[in-house]
Amino acid sequence: GDSVTQTEGPVTLSEGTSLTVNCSYETKQYPTLFWYVQYPGEGPQLLFKVPKANEKGSSRGFEATYNKEATSFHLQKASVQESDSAVYYCALSDWGGRALIFGTGTTVSVSP
Amino acid sequence: NAGVIQTPRHKVTGKGQEATLWCEPISGHSAVFWYRQTIVQGLEFLTYFRNQAPIDDSGMPKERFSAQMPNQSHSTLKIQSTQPQDSAVYLCASSPRHAEQFFGPGTRLTVL
Repeated sequence: GDSVTQTEGPVTLSEGTSLTVNCSYETKQYPTLFWYVQYPGEGPQLLFKVPKANEKGSSRGFEATYNKEATSFHLQKASVQESDSAVYYCALSDWGGRALIFGTGTTVSVSP
Repeated sequence: NAGVIQTPRHKVTGKGQEATLWCEPISGHSAVFWYRQTIVQGLEFLTYFRNQAPIDDSGMPKERFSAQMPNQSHSTLKIQSTQPQDSAVYLCASSPRHAEQFFGPGTRLTVL
């Protein structure tokens, strides 16, 4: 079945440094890829989605490129802030917009 | 512009009691999804509806769990004879046609 594997956390950074959270996926279909972010006590929030291979998604300084050949969708941010501390989830959905398959989540902690 | 509303936010039940969780999707969204989140299992899909019709309940435990969507403005997840292993955060999400999912804040269920 479909699966998503992402960087195991926690990831601890200082403000101003760069962040990369690796995500790889397995599917026999042609998926849409997502990054979600979750803060304590809240549900996951959509960071961005990329429906097409070799395209880039971005939001709030975060970006990821849908690499179909490598089946990867790594999340990057050049300069993190303390407010970026959260749990980040990579997810995929098939073209039909059915259930999301989530990775295990990566806890990111940014210290000032 | 309210997001997905879930009630109650917290529910405590005794072992063997029934729990009913409510979800109000974003107005105009045609699909409603239920997920369960635990530390051990992460985010797991339970079931979903499109245009109020049940489409996929492959993630639902076959006994004790049921979900309904009697009208376009709400969905319920019912757990009969709750067990301690049912303790989790139950998340509801809604989606426009074949697009990204928007999550509510979740209901934290604790079974004593």
